Amino acid sequence: KNQVEQSPQSLIILEGKNCTLQCNYTVSPFSNLRWYKQDTGRGPVSLTIMTFSENTKSNGRYTATLDADTKQSSLHITASQLSDSASYICVVSPSYNTDKLIFGTGTRLQVFP
Amino acid sequence: DAEITQSPRHKITETGRQVTLACHQTWNHNNMFWYRQDLGHGLRLIHYSYGVQDTNKGEVSDGYSVSRSNTEDLPLTLESAASSQTSVYFCASSESGVGGYTFGSGTRLTVV
Repeated sequence: KNQVEQSPQSLIILEGKNCTLQCNYTVSPFSNLRWYKQDTGRGPVSLTIMTFSENTKSNGRYTATLDADTKQSSLHITASQLSDSASYICVVSPSYNTDKLIFGTGTRLQVFP
Repeated sequence: DAEITQSPRHKITETGRQVTLACHQTWNHNNMFWYRQDLGHGLRLIHYSYGVQDTNKGEVSDGYSVSRSNTEDLPLTLESAASSQTSVYFCASSESGVGGYTFGSGTRLTVV
């Protein structure tokens, strides 16, 4: 069964600190991996999209990495801000249907002053 | 600016009633999707459409239906609402391939 697993489930950090969220997937064959940010009460918003041939992709203070050999991805947040408090969802698309998104359950990040 | 809007934002209904959730997008995307989001689960696909008059079942389609009469709208109907359908529902649209996948703000549905 195709799965996307994220860790940790939740994370608390202080403003200004860095953090890294993990995503392991078993989707095969694999086309692309996305990271989304979901604020409370809102829909997910895309942060990064990486194809299987890309190793890293940045979007401001967010940097995603991908190791297609080990089927692992990480999202690194630099110099966290209070507005980074949200759920971060890892999403994988299989190559046989790039419109089929397989969602992880997310990491809930809370940033405190 | 292009957008995707869902209505209503919140809905409370009684068991057995028919309910329709609206989704409207101005991206001119061919593909539209309905997901539900529940604690402990990732978003799960209910129904999707690749164009006008095209509809397909997702992994949790039982008790739901959709219709696509134009490019902009994909309404989701719960034929006879059940308590198990209490959830947050998200509509999304995309062009095919990588990128351009946009979600609405969601509808919180409570079935009592």
